[in-house]
Amino acid sequence: AQSVAQPEDQVNVAEGNPLTVKCTYSVSGNPYLFWYVQYPNRGLQFLLKYITGDNLVKGSYGFEAEFNKSQTSFHLKKPSALVSDSALYFCAVRDRVTGGGNKLTFGTGTQLKVEL
Amino acid sequence: EPEVTQTPSHQVTQMGQEVILRCVPISNHLYFYWYRQILGQKVEFLVSFYNNEISEKSEIFDDQFSVERPDGSNFTLKIRSTKLEDSAMYFCASSGYRGRGTNEKLFFGSGTQLSVL
Repeated sequence: AQSVAQPEDQVNVAEGNPLTVKCTYSVSGNPYLFWYVQYPNRGLQFLLKYITGDNLVKGSYGFEAEFNKSQTSFHLKKPSALVSDSALYFCAVRDRVTGGGNKLTFGTGTQLKVEL
Repeated sequence: EPEVTQTPSHQVTQMGQEVILRCVPISNHLYFYWYRQILGQKVEFLVSFYNNEISEKSEIFDDQFSVERPDGSNFTLKIRSTKLEDSAMYFCASSGYRGRGTNEKLFFGSGTQLSVL
């Protein structure tokens, strides 16, 4: 079964500093990996995905993620954090669903707190 | 950007009662999903729906659960006899455009918080 692990429940960073939110995965076959963000009282919003190609994937709001096959990791990064980045971040891996569509298996989430 | 809308935002019910959670997916999307998130736990897949039938369901999605797309725009999740452990945030999602095959990006609604007392 496919799975993802987010080892940190919470990450604290000062505004303007770089941030990293960690994710490791376990899949059979080629991984399709995603990051979603959840702001309070909102649904999950797509940030970025890795399907194939460049190991460094750029996404929304200045976020990027680096796919590392040897370490089975897909860490989310941003060079300079903003207070408005404070939210809950989920890593996910995709399973194909019979008949098409996608089933995402999510990690447990990492709460990012960016402070002034 | 287009949005998935869910109603109600909060639902309180008594154990054993039936509840229907409603969702309006993004127009022209082909694939529809329900996920749930128990407080403090991970987001879990419940069911996917395509071409007017369930394409996959998880072990959580037992006989007490059903989904329906009654009128071509709404997508509903029904829980026939709610249990305390059904208390969770339920998210609807949709993906895919006609003519473009599957689309990996799922669009999620803001969720319905279900509280079973």
